[in-house]
Amino acid sequence: QKEVEQDPGPLSVPEGAIVSLNCTYSNSAFQYFMWYRQYSRKGPELLMYTYSSGNKEDGRFTAQVDKSSKYISLFIRDSQPSDSATYLCAMSASDTDKLIFGTGTRLQVFP
Amino acid sequence: DSGVTQTPKHLITATGQRVTLRCSPRSGDLSVYWYQQSLDQGLQFLIQYYNGEERAKGNILERFSAQQFPDLHSELNLSSLELGDSALYFCASTQGAGGYNSPLHFGNGTRLTVT
Repeated sequence: QKEVEQDPGPLSVPEGAIVSLNCTYSNSAFQYFMWYRQYSRKGPELLMYTYSSGNKEDGRFTAQVDKSSKYISLFIRDSQPSDSATYLCAMSASDTDKLIFGTGTRLQVFP
Repeated sequence: DSGVTQTPKHLITATGQRVTLRCSPRSGDLSVYWYQQSLDQGLQFLIQYYNGEERAKGNILERFSAQQFPDLHSELNLSSLELGDSALYFCASTQGAGGYNSPLHFGNGTRLTVT
């Protein structure tokens, strides 16, 4: 079993939809959680960063962490075609430990 | 643009060969990380250098080696290449030695195809 599981998709939604992207993990020591966005033929870029449990909001993006369920989510409101990319979750047990990445979910937002 | 430069963008080579991938970090960044990305495994951490010294090691094969030079650029050497080494190889950099208050800045990767 992988430490971090992520549905590869693709997830195809119409413009304006609310998108929910999710990851599950097995290591209860993880407490730093990140979401990266990767456009085709580009490197990943950091979208959101959260520590421990709870929610964090940044514009149209909301990151949620449920440590009791070992489950994290990224919500995208009012999705745009420019949001079409692969979204990778990443997590670590400490702020100096190596990041463990999910395999990524490919999102397509059509006009 | 992340400011991290990787060369070459594409590399096609045969099994058993040796290749060198190059990375120039963002100006001012002292740490360089190497990652391998394949479809089934996702992003796998290989190795980290900080200011010329190896800082952390991940799932790096013995056939692979890396170094960081005094000007802070880094090279990843892959030898005795196998078909399974075909993947995207990413370099990332950060200012400090670690810590995720400072995000990783990724280059656009080198796509390696081993035939």
